Amino acid sequence: LAKTTQPISMDSYEGQEVNITCSHNNIATNDYITWYQQFPSQGPRFIIQGYKTKVTNEVASLFIPADRKSSTLSLPRVSLSDTAVYYCLVGDIGGTSYGKLTFGQGTILTVHP
Amino acid sequence: DSGVTQTPKHLITATGQRVTLRCSPRSGDLSVYWYQQSLDQGLQFLIQYYNGEERAKGNILERFSAQQFPDLHSELNLSSLELGDSALYFCASSVAGGPDTDTQYFGPGTRLTVL
Repeated sequence: LAKTTQPISMDSYEGQEVNITCSHNNIATNDYITWYQQFPSQGPRFIIQGYKTKVTNEVASLFIPADRKSSTLSLPRVSLSDTAVYYCLVGDIGGTSYGKLTFGQGTILTVHP
Repeated sequence: DSGVTQTPKHLITATGQRVTLRCSPRSGDLSVYWYQQSLDQGLQFLIQYYNGEERAKGNILERFSAQQFPDLHSELNLSSLELGDSALYFCASSVAGGPDTDTQYFGPGTRLTVL
């Protein structure tokens, strides 16, 4: 499974856009990129998933360059409630690796008033 | 609310004991996954079941075992408990483990404290 590297922590302010970049240099052809959010003492929550280019949903955007060796989660206009740990995962989540997700250390995002 | 339920929410027991954690997946989901989250190890994948069969194994100790029943609920059994087993245990479920992308939905977790 591809190893991921993310910043340990980030700080932002309410109303700002936050971009969290994840590095995954040895991503495989069949791998997808998935981001999860986790609040203290709660289970991780799926945010967004993509394979290449750009994916957007109601809460975030995911930018993936052509070489797929990195990806950027973009959270528009964050609020205090976006303070959480954000995990980047890379893997063939439905295929031969049978959904064996590997969570890295995650990025602690703190949003300030 | 992810639709995944876990019981109990909290569990306090002593070293050497055995406990069972229960998970009910979302309606229609065939795969169940178990994870352990401790302060020093982060979120670790333990084991996955798909429609009653073990599909993948992660960092699961021999003292731990799991199974998925015909109604698709799953149980994680932890025996000969040690202080280091104190952690949050999460269950997740997904529709299937097939060739397409498959989102995992996590339950609220069971907090196990071993004294």
